[in-house]
Amino acid sequence: SQQGEEDPQALSIQEGENATMNCSYKTSINNLQWYRQNSGRGLVHLILIRSNEREKHSGRLRVTLDTSKKSSSLLITASRAADTASYFCATESQGAQKLVFGQGTRLTINP
Amino acid sequence: GAVVSQHPSRVICKSGTSVKIECRSLDFQATTMFWYRQFPKQSLMLMATSNEGSKATYEQGVEKDKFLINHASLTLSTLTVTSAHPEDSSFYICSAREAGADTQYFGPGTRLTVL
Repeated sequence: SQQGEEDPQALSIQEGENATMNCSYKTSINNLQWYRQNSGRGLVHLILIRSNEREKHSGRLRVTLDTSKKSSSLLITASRAADTASYFCATESQGAQKLVFGQGTRLTINP
Repeated sequence: GAVVSQHPSRVICKSGTSVKIECRSLDFQATTMFWYRQFPKQSLMLMATSNEGSKATYEQGVEKDKFLINHASLTLSTLTVTSAHPEDSSFYICSAREAGADTQYFGPGTRLTVL
């Protein structure tokens, strides 16, 4: 069953603006990961944040994790048209190797 | 580094036939591989987890006799959809993981269409 809930389901913004996507989950986790998927393609790993971390940066990406609220957010700053894609969070629970994916956010960056 | 390939990228077959999809880790040894399916505009659903040299672990609701998974080497896993039907049409994606690593690397996916 899907553990992650993501919001919004769809987000459309202008190029240059920041995009924020949120993810909530239900069980204790080892880590939470964010992936990007362009239409009809495979997934690209963006960033992993461990349960003992609160914030992580990678280029224009900033991820936060609040384990007390069982939630995470992905911020993309200074968005570009090439950022248009679906973004998924995925959690790895304690004691399990597998990832459970959220429903995803479809992000559209308008030029 | 960390490239995973899938073959074929697209396949169209007739109802009742079997289709094999290959997943390869090109530059690392994948002790664990995962198979997912994804319906249009939906998320990825894990079908099974396979560890090299042992039987796959299937998720609840996934028929192991219909979706045969083989992970015979550290760089190759195969998914065979047996007696495919139109409802099996989907996007199948594999991922691979090294021993002790946190990250799964995903293949580009295989679009299966069953007529």
